Amino acid sequence: DTAVSQTPKYLVTQMGNDKSIKCEQNLGHDTMYWYKQDSKKFLKIMFSYNNKELIINETVPNRFSPKSPDKAHLNLHINSLELGDSAVYFCASSQRDRGEAFFGQGTRLTVV
Amino acid sequence: GENVEQHPSTLSVQEGDSAVIKCTYSDSASNYFPWYKQELGKRPQLIIDIRSNVGEKKDQRIAVTLNKTAKHFSLHITETQPEDSAVYFCAASMYALNFGKGTSLLVTP
Repeated sequence: DTAVSQTPKYLVTQMGNDKSIKCEQNLGHDTMYWYKQDSKKFLKIMFSYNNKELIINETVPNRFSPKSPDKAHLNLHINSLELGDSAVYFCASSQRDRGEAFFGQGTRLTVV
Repeated sequence: GENVEQHPSTLSVQEGDSAVIKCTYSDSASNYFPWYKQELGKRPQLIIDIRSNVGEKKDQRIAVTLNKTAKHFSLHITETQPEDSAVYFCAASMYALNFGKGTSLLVTP
């Protein structure tokens, strides 16, 4: 059973398009995250949701909008995609008072 | 916010040698310090973690030490094997993991 799953695994799209990445966790965790890993492998937090409430929103362009319909899901919608958005996006989840985060398999987004 | 510095950025050792990776953090409120291993094309996976009320933790060939006063923590891998080759990330957390920039470890036979 996959603990944290995200879809799609690969996404190739043209500049200016809008795309979404979905994430689901079956661990019963109360907190979910989106991380961006750039070409230099740096893992940078973008958003964090706790019990469907946004608690961390790092300096991310407004074109990125997370949505958490329930505690088990955190989706990421990106408008007007730019070349610089190309990266691997990881979803993760944790139980807030424990800390250990489990990552999804990643979505490799390529904007052409 | 939290700032985590990690050194070295690359590390090459011979099989059987030890490897040490060091991290510093800025926010004294951080209380959880995990280490993740990421193999090429894979997701980061937790290998060991330590909490702020503990100074050292060991799990077989890997160990982590934490100096809260100095705000630094280290990963030690002994008897390295080629399968230890990967990128290692440290992180510091109070609510969300803030990662260092990673160390690419290469273990040569």
